[in-house]
Amino acid sequence: RKEVEQDPGPFNVPEGATVAFNCTYSNSASQSFFWYRQDCRKEPKLLMSVYSSGNEDGRFTAQLNRASQYISLLIRDSKLSDSATYLCAVNDGEDNFNKFYFGSGTKLNVKP
Amino acid sequence: DADVTQTPRNRITKTGKRIMLECSQTKGHDRMYWYRQDPGLGLRLIYYSFDVKDINKGEISDGYSVSRQAQAKFSLSLESAIPNQTALYFCATSDLETSGKETQYFGPGTRLLVL
Repeated sequence: RKEVEQDPGPFNVPEGATVAFNCTYSNSASQSFFWYRQDCRKEPKLLMSVYSSGNEDGRFTAQLNRASQYISLLIRDSKLSDSATYLCAVNDGEDNFNKFYFGSGTKLNVKP
Repeated sequence: DADVTQTPRNRITKTGKRIMLECSQTKGHDRMYWYRQDPGLGLRLIYYSFDVKDINKGEISDGYSVSRQAQAKFSLSLESAIPNQTALYFCATSDLETSGKETQYFGPGTRLLVL
């Protein structure tokens, strides 16, 4: 079983749509959670950290559900420029060794 | 200027050749990582280092070696390249904050093709 799992998509949505991705993780002791954005052939770039209380950055909202062990990313009013692959990352935080586990990514295509 | 740089950005080599990928960072971070990314498999950890001369194996270290002679540099070597090492390689850095939180920052990647 993978440590972190994501639906690979693609999610094809029209401009202006709201779209949400989930990411499940297997280790209930996981401490920190992140969403990264990766454009084709480029490096992953940090989109946002995910806090226990949830957090919002403009059109992006991240939520953590510890009971069901998943994190979510909601994108409102999708733009063409949001087209990318979204990776979730989970950090164990055990014994001062914060091992990171990355999902395989969810591909989003925003169409005119 | 980029905080994390990788050289070369693209490399084509032949089976059996030894090659080295370099990573440099100006973020002042202690922790550095090497990952490879393959389609459908996501990022897989090859090696990581928490300090100069500290080396730790990741989940797929076979066929690779690393060197950390300075805080700012972490190099990855393929002793005898084979075609299934064709992949996109990323270096990443992080620092452990006083809160215990840690975030990773990635270099631009090296695209390696082994013929």
